[in-house]
Amino acid sequence: EAGVAQSPRYKIIEKRQSVAFWCNPISGHATLYWYQQILGQGPKLLIQFQNNGVVDDSQLPKDRFSAERLKGVDSTLKIQPAKLEDSAVYLCASSLSPGRTNLHFGNGTRLTVT
Amino acid sequence: QQQVKQSPQSLIVQKGGISIINCAYENTAFDYFPWYQQFPGKGPALLIAIRPDVSEKKEGRFTISFNKSAKQFSLHIMDSQPGDSATYFCAASKGGSQGNLIFGKGTKLSVKP
Repeated sequence: EAGVAQSPRYKIIEKRQSVAFWCNPISGHATLYWYQQILGQGPKLLIQFQNNGVVDDSQLPKDRFSAERLKGVDSTLKIQPAKLEDSAVYLCASSLSPGRTNLHFGNGTRLTVT
Repeated sequence: QQQVKQSPQSLIVQKGGISIINCAYENTAFDYFPWYQQFPGKGPALLIAIRPDVSEKKEGRFTISFNKSAKQFSLHIMDSQPGDSATYFCAASKGGSQGNLIFGKGTKLSVKP
């Protein structure tokens, strides 16, 4: 079984620029999550999708972050404009359903904002 | 407000020893408590998980102990190996979800040969 694919692996941008991250979940996984992991901390949930609908985006800074999951498969997370405090690893994860099924994480995109 | 508190922040154990990592939670609505293992440059991977209807779960060298009244749970790694050197995160969720997780800050484990 192929894992969760994310790209790019690394991205360096200047503050106020925009950036986008891409995620391809495990085939058949209906639920997709974006987590933010700041250095030295545990991951924090940004947004949860069930198919192509948003289930929970309560912790997504909506003034600068946006995410979509068109056709219920791939997802894109965008930051515009970026701030220094957005420097983090952005992890995508997927599961078969939001209930009693395990979460599978990708290896993340490391963003550095200078 | 941090809802899952993890300690210690770092841990050094000799090969063959027992590694113990502790977590405490505040929200009594939590009903799923997993531990994740993360190696540098990789995403977290589920190691073992427990629900509050049991007090202990063992899988190979890894054991979760759960104390519902104290709102605490811990990970024990028996016969620790250098390959266990990684960062370990406890987490919690509620409402039957295994994906909408609140993570602790992590424990960096180093197992010395």
